[in-house]
Amino acid sequence: EDKVVQSPLSLVVHEGDTVTLNCSYEVTNFRSLLWYKQEKKAPTFLFMLTSSGIEKKSGRLSSILDKKELFSILNITATQTGDSAVYLCAAAEDSNYQLIWGAGTKLIIKP
Amino acid sequence: KAGVTQTPRYLIKTRGQQVTLSCSPISGHRSVSWYQQTPGQGLQFLFEYFSETQRNKGNFPGRFSGRQFSNSRSEMNVSTLELGDSALYLCASSLSNPGQGSYNEQFFGPGTRLTVL
Repeated sequence: EDKVVQSPLSLVVHEGDTVTLNCSYEVTNFRSLLWYKQEKKAPTFLFMLTSSGIEKKSGRLSSILDKKELFSILNITATQTGDSAVYLCAAAEDSNYQLIWGAGTKLIIKP
Repeated sequence: KAGVTQTPRYLIKTRGQQVTLSCSPISGHRSVSWYQQTPGQGLQFLFEYFSETQRNKGNFPGRFSGRQFSNSRSEMNVSTLELGDSALYLCASSLSNPGQGSYNEQFFGPGTRLTVL
């Protein structure tokens, strides 16, 4: 059965720290890995990763995919209280149009 | 471009009742997916519609059903509500071109918070 596992499930750090969130997957016909940030309501898109080893960056956030070891990481540097959220990753299959979601990592940034 | 809209935003029902939730996708998006989210859980996939056809279905009982109209708007229905159906129901739209087998980013609506008493 296809699955996506995120770790840790929750994380508390202080403002200014750097955090690394993990997402591993076992998906038949894997196509891409997506990261979303969910604050109070709707998840908002962060990154889509399709190729292995190519880092995607957006400000203080970056992410990379390892298709050999079947995982992705999301890095956040110089964290701010506004980074507090649940970070979700999802894997997309090539053969259908369903995303397989992880349970999320709840990140809390303390001032 | 207007985002994904969902109505109603909040709903309170009692056990045994039924409920219909509505989702209007981003203009031009033909794929609509529905998810259930409960505290501590990730997004649980309900179903996905494309061009009025259900393409994928998650592992939910038959009490959960949906449909999509020709304008891509979608509705989700839950019959005989149970306490465990209390959740945030999210819909997401995407371009999703099946012919090319490509996956497109999903855009989420604000959700409908359903409380079953």
